[in-house]
Amino acid sequence: DQQVKQNSPSLSVQEGRISILNCDYTNSMFDYFLWYKKYPAEGPTFLISISSIKDKNEDGRFTVFLNKSAKHLSLHIVPSQPGDSAVYFCAASVQQWGSARQLTFGSGTQLTVLP
Amino acid sequence: DGGITQSPKYLFRKEGQNVTLSCEQNLNHDAMYWYRQDPGQGLRLIYYSQIVNDFQKGDIAEGYSVSREKKESFPLTVTSAQKNPTAFYLCASHRRREGQPQHFGDGTRLSIL
Repeated sequence: DQQVKQNSPSLSVQEGRISILNCDYTNSMFDYFLWYKKYPAEGPTFLISISSIKDKNEDGRFTVFLNKSAKHLSLHIVPSQPGDSAVYFCAASVQQWGSARQLTFGSGTQLTVLP
Repeated sequence: DGGITQSPKYLFRKEGQNVTLSCEQNLNHDAMYWYRQDPGQGLRLIYYSQIVNDFQKGDIAEGYSVSREKKESFPLTVTSAQKNPTAFYLCASHRRREGQPQHFGDGTRLSIL
């Protein structure tokens, strides 16, 4: 049973436009969410996170939105650049103070930004 | 430069052989993790460790073993009991504090000869 789902395996966007990547989750205990970016044959790179006490977090061109009632989060990239072309993973966890945090990952969305 | 080093980058295993993947970090992170990635899928947790000499099974621990004798090191052994070991293996670590994301190494690709 997939607790974190990224239903779009791929997305193509024109350079300069907005990229919107979506993620749904089923476990209502999740209260910490992250987005990672991954290039082939490399490890994922942390992009941005959001705690469930917020509904928006922004860092430069990247903004994550969280809709707890819909159990949905999205990553907005504005403006999109060719270097943003990569696989984006959504991950979720239950925050536990002082404990290792098990992350549950979605299956990823391949973003291609066209020049 | 602080970071997580995984070695080797590519590894080949014969049927029936155990192999060990190395993961070293100099970030002074407490917790370390091993994940497996298969094509078209997300990362799945194999094992994790919160402190030295302690580790816990993740979702897919069967056929794998780990040790945590030093804070900096968390090697993963893929045993012959793992029937489908071909995958991309990723090691991660983080500080055990709220809001600290996991940081990943560059992975080891394991293939069966």
